[in-house]
Amino acid sequence: DAGVIQSPRHEVTEMGQEVTLRCKPISGHNSLFWYRQTMMRGLELLIYFNNNVPIDDSGMPEDRFSAKMPNASFSTLKIQPSEPRDSAVYFCASSFDAGTVSNQPQHFGDGTRLSIL
Amino acid sequence: TQLLEQSPQFLSIQEGENLTVYCNSSSVFSSLQWYRQEPGEGPVLLVTVVTGGEVKKLKRLTFQFGDARKDSSLHITAAQPGDTGLYLCAGAKGNTGKLIFGQGTTLQVKP
Repeated sequence: DAGVIQSPRHEVTEMGQEVTLRCKPISGHNSLFWYRQTMMRGLELLIYFNNNVPIDDSGMPEDRFSAKMPNASFSTLKIQPSEPRDSAVYFCASSFDAGTVSNQPQHFGDGTRLSIL
Repeated sequence: TQLLEQSPQFLSIQEGENLTVYCNSSSVFSSLQWYRQEPGEGPVLLVTVVTGGEVKKLKRLTFQFGDARKDSSLHITAAQPGDTGLYLCAGAKGNTGKLIFGQGTTLQVKP
């Protein structure tokens, strides 16, 4: 079975540009999570969706960040305008029924390594 | 505020040695998960512990959940170079689906 698919794997862009990260969750999973990982702060939850609805976006750093899930098989995380401090590895993860059962495993993609110059 | 503290942050040992990684919190979690992450990849679930005092074994790895469900440990017996990686603990609160991750322990096992 295909796992969580993220694209692009690497992105290098100049500050001020718009960045769009994409995620395809595992088929049948109804919860989707966006994380950011840095050396200083570790793995931080940015936002998560349950049944395509955003449930908790308290981790989104500021208005420059936005996330959408138009359907069960696709989500985007957008940064506009991007800044050098946004440089990190961004992970998408999916799970089944995370909103009702607390011990569901999360399946992670391989991440997008983002560098803002 | 870091709700889950992992220690040590870095560990470099020789093949065949034993080690323990700790995950501590002042908060109670409904369950706790351990993940392992290799360079260039996402974290992969190793185990979930749910009941206070629970012990789970995965080959040479032993996981324990504290009686009060505030802390956990991972013990590796006779470490192998293939055990090298970043080990992350993650706690869940209630039925929100939200996980809080520790900072991670980077383990290097030298042959």
